[in-house]
Amino acid sequence: QKEVEQNSGPLSVPEGAIASLNCTYSDRGSQSFFWYRQYSGKSPELIMSIYSNGDKEDGRFTAQLNKASQYVSLLIRDSQPSDSATYLCAVIMGQNFVFGPGTRLSVLP
Amino acid sequence: GAGVSQSPRYKVAKRGQDVALRCDPISGHVSLFWYQQALGQGPEFLTYFQNEAQLDKSGLPSDRFFAERPEGSVSTLKIQRTQQEDSAVYLCASSFFPGSFPYEQYFGPGTRLTVT
Repeated sequence: QKEVEQNSGPLSVPEGAIASLNCTYSDRGSQSFFWYRQYSGKSPELIMSIYSNGDKEDGRFTAQLNKASQYVSLLIRDSQPSDSATYLCAVIMGQNFVFGPGTRLSVLP
Repeated sequence: GAGVSQSPRYKVAKRGQDVALRCDPISGHVSLFWYQQALGQGPEFLTYFQNEAQLDKSGLPSDRFFAERPEGSVSTLKIQRTQQEDSAVYLCASSFFPGSFPYEQYFGPGTRLTVT
């Protein structure tokens, strides 16, 4: 069974704090990982992709990948109320693009 | 350039009706994907095209679901004899990279289907 798991939340953080979103996946052979942001009633929007172990930074976002632990995370620094959304982790397993259920993030002003 | 577009944005169908959902991918994108997203869930894969070839349809939930992309650009997802459990948002995504490795996908706005 190809699975991607995320804590559904909601995860609440105060404005300016670091939000940490976690994702685990079942296929040890997976090589490509993505984070999408989805506002309520909107379609998913690509934030980050990561393919190698370690950290990848883009502005306030940092993706972290640990293939040995089958774990990928997304850190959002200096969280803003506009970051409040559902964050979807996606993993390519075989030839399929498998999404997790998403973590709902709420940034409190 | 324009992003992925989908039409209609909203569709209400009576149980038993047939529906057709359209996706217009980003120009030049080889790969096209259809997903079904239920409320509060992540998108679930339905089917994948590379140009006009349907390479994977393992996610289609029943033989009432049919997808095509005859000229390798616009795609249509057809649902025959709709049932209430078909109510969901249907998302289309496209990707530039050819081959079976999809890499980054870009999503359209989705079609919200409600079956009454």
